[in-house]
Amino acid sequence: QVQLQESGPGLVKPSETLSLTCTVSGYSISSGYYWGWIRQPPGKGLEWIGSLFHTGSTYYNPSLKSRVTMSVDTSRNQFSLKVASVTAADTAMYYCARGSFADYWGQGTLVTVSS
Amino acid sequence: EIVMTQSPATLSVSPGERATLSCRASQSVSSDLAWYQQRPGQAPRLLIYSASTRATGIPARFSGSGSGTEFTFTISSLQSEDFAVYYCQQYNNWPRTFGQGTKVEIK
Repeated sequence: QVQLQESGPGLVKPSETLSLTCTVSGYSISSGYYWGWIRQPPGKGLEWIGSLFHTGSTYYNPSLKSRVTMSVDTSRNQFSLKVASVTAADTAMYYCARGSFADYWGQGTLVTVSS
Repeated sequence: EIVMTQSPATLSVSPGERATLSCRASQSVSSDLAWYQQRPGQAPRLLIYSASTRATGIPARFSGSGSGTEFTFTISSLQSEDFAVYYCQQYNNWPRTFGQGTKVEIK
């Protein structure tokens, strides 16, 4: 059974960096698939942030590209997201997911940007 | 960026009735189209991929069709647990993009 679990601070101050980690169980990231992050502001729709392959290749949403960094740690079966210089507009539920179409999702973690 | 447009924004349907949702892409995405269901307070769930293939464990009342730029998602007979928001997503090009969602509500 493939499971994904997001972790990280639920509160980040404006202008700081948001950092989240997704821990995968039941499947080895090294075995394949793209692994991605998707976010959803309160009451709004889904926004794809970016994806990475186990080799480290990354694809970011151009709307966030200058502020986003994704990385993978295959030894821990984890991948991570960093969003720099956050503002209130980055307040959202952040999900990690597997695949180009997301067949497995984490439960999501709410990140609030506020001083 | 490929823009995905869903219609209608809200669909009011009675239990047992048929619901038909539309998704249009601003350029061809071939059959690289997925549909998700999101219930309140839950993560989205994959229902359909490759435009018409049901994901594992998804009931047969859910179906998808289309290719290129026009796609349709149908729930043949709405059950109480089907009232939710549905999103389409293309994975033919980067960046991946979602439609804005269709809320299926009880009539």
